[in-house]
Amino acid sequence: KAGVTQTPRYLIKTRGQQVTLSCSPISGHRSVSWYQQTPGQGLQFLFEYFSETQRNKGNFPGRFSGRQFSNSRSEMNVSTLELGDSALYLCASSLWSNQPQHFGDGTRLSIL
Amino acid sequence: KQEVTQIPAALSVPEGENLVLNCSFTDSAIYNLQWFRQDPGKGLTSLLLIQSSQREQTSGRLNASLDKSSGRSTLYIAASQPGDSATYLCAAGTGANSKLTFGKGITLSVRP
Repeated sequence: KAGVTQTPRYLIKTRGQQVTLSCSPISGHRSVSWYQQTPGQGLQFLFEYFSETQRNKGNFPGRFSGRQFSNSRSEMNVSTLELGDSALYLCASSLWSNQPQHFGDGTRLSIL
Repeated sequence: KQEVTQIPAALSVPEGENLVLNCSFTDSAIYNLQWFRQDPGKGLTSLLLIQSSQREQTSGRLNASLDKSSGRSTLYIAASQPGDSATYLCAAGTGANSKLTFGKGITLSVRP
């Protein structure tokens, strides 16, 4: 059974640009969550989607947005990139709430 | 607001030792508590999930316990091996959705 797949693995952008990250969950999983991991703040919740609906959102500015498609694949978008957005972005999927979450290997975003 | 703490930040032990990793959380109204392992440059690997109604879960050499009343969880690793070297994170699920609040992790080094 294929795991959670995130693409691309690495991205380099400059300030002011925008970026789109993609996540394909484990087959059959309907919940997809996104997290930002930095050395200083650790892992912080961005948002969660279930059946194409955003169910919860973390404390991030509106520049961070996401969506989920009918096949449960999800994308997150960051506009007007800032240096502080440099981080490892992790996607996790689960069958439904209160079930083990399975993470992808992440997309490492570097802002120059 | 849920806060999760893991102390110490780093731990070094000789191979073969049994060890306990601690995790504390401030809000006892959790749905579940999940332990993860993260290897350098990788995503998170789910180790154990304890539902709020459970006291412990076991998988191989790993045993995780949960005490909601005291706001604590422990991960017990029996007969540690160099391959156990990694960062171990605990995360509390505090809503009906899949949002997890993470600790900063404990970086474990097992010396041959």
